[in-house]
Amino acid sequence: GQQVMQIPQYQHVQEGEDFTTYCNSSTTLSNIQWYKQRPGGHPVFLIQLVKSGEVKKQKRLTFQFGEAKKNSSLHITATQTTDVGTYFCAGRNAGNNRKLIWGLGTSLAVNP
Amino acid sequence: EAGVVQSPRYKIIEKKQPVAFWCNPISGHNTLYWYLQNLGQGPELLIRYENEEAVDDSQLPKDRFSAERLKGVDSTLKIQPAELGDSAVYLCASSPGLAGFGEQFFGPGTRLTVL
Repeated sequence: GQQVMQIPQYQHVQEGEDFTTYCNSSTTLSNIQWYKQRPGGHPVFLIQLVKSGEVKKQKRLTFQFGEAKKNSSLHITATQTTDVGTYFCAGRNAGNNRKLIWGLGTSLAVNP
Repeated sequence: EAGVVQSPRYKIIEKKQPVAFWCNPISGHNTLYWYLQNLGQGPELLIRYENEEAVDDSQLPKDRFSAERLKGVDSTLKIQPAELGDSAVYLCASSPGLAGFGEQFFGPGTRLTVL
């Protein structure tokens, strides 16, 4: 079945360092969403990417969707302690069932 | 605007007991989701409703789990009987469109502990 792999599983950085998490799907996606979940909290929507090769920015966050629409990345420039949490990608199957398949997430820890 | 409301926030029960969770989605949101999330894992879809119709319940363990969404608004998820392995956070989410295309708004979740 369709799988969405996310790497790394954990990342520990010093405040001010950059951070990137990668998402890879075994099948072509119609779109991909990114969510952030703070410790003890619930997932909060960050962005949705739809077009092949799309790049979107939100302040220090840069999101990319691959040309083949099978991979995506989230890059955070100059991390801050407020960036701590788990970042999930969720890819929607391009087939008929349009299921949203979630990755296992990348947990980010930031040392002040 | 009020967000997705879930209750209870926490529930502790003994195995073999029944349990029910309630969700009130954001007003006007047609699509409602129930997810299960284990510690350190991503959300796993249990069921998706479009209005009052369950359009995807393929991952719902129907021998013990049931759900309903009366009048296409509030929803309840029930487990009967609960097993130890059901301990998890149960998340409800809603989205404004159909076919699950748009962003999902999550409630705070119900943390279930089965003893």
